[in-house]
Amino acid sequence: GEQVEQLPSILRVQERSSASINCTYENSASNYFPWYKQEPGENPKLIIDIRSNMERKQIQGLIVLLDKKAKRFSLHITDTQPADSAMYFCAAMGYQNFYFGKGTSLTVIP
Amino acid sequence: EAAVTQSPRNKVTVTGGNVTLSCRQTNSHNYMYWYRQDTGHGLRLIHYSYGAGNLQIGDVPDGYKATRTTQEDFFLLLELASPSQTSLYFCASSDRVVQAPLFGEGTRLSVL
Repeated sequence: GEQVEQLPSILRVQERSSASINCTYENSASNYFPWYKQEPGENPKLIIDIRSNMERKQIQGLIVLLDKKAKRFSLHITDTQPADSAMYFCAAMGYQNFYFGKGTSLTVIP
Repeated sequence: EAAVTQSPRNKVTVTGGNVTLSCRQTNSHNYMYWYRQDTGHGLRLIHYSYGAGNLQIGDVPDGYKATRTTQEDFFLLLELASPSQTSLYFCASSDRVVQAPLFGEGTRLSVL
């Protein structure tokens, strides 16, 4: 299946600093890239997404960048708070389904 | 409000047992998916469907069957459960391909 590589797998940052997660994908036909946040014991929840007709999207403190030529997209969380501590997953749309990265465990240290 | 409901939330069975996981969505979504989540592997697609009676094979289908009986209902069947199928299972639905799936609350399955 489609490979989505996600790095880093573990990320620890100081409160109020920025956190960045990077993903790469294989299928150049992919045109939709959602990001999910999963807190312990809960289901993954969509936090932001980007379509291939965009290079950048921001929702409050979340920024997503897309580089179609490099087949790379990234999530940047600005001014992190302890409440941002969670597992984050990137995904890329395949033919009729989605392929997920293996996840990044983010810890924001107060 | 859009919702995906899974049952049961927890299940324990023995090796060789027969298990059915249920998923219902009331969102009129066409696509439904079954994923398993394991530490170090993320979310892996087992089976998916784009409508009643349709079934598509995902990336890790071995040992699993699925059936989409209606627009709303999607079932995952483990007919001879094995310990390697101990996992957290998520069902998800989406209206169309280019829409992020909405996940259910998950079913934690233990195969002893």
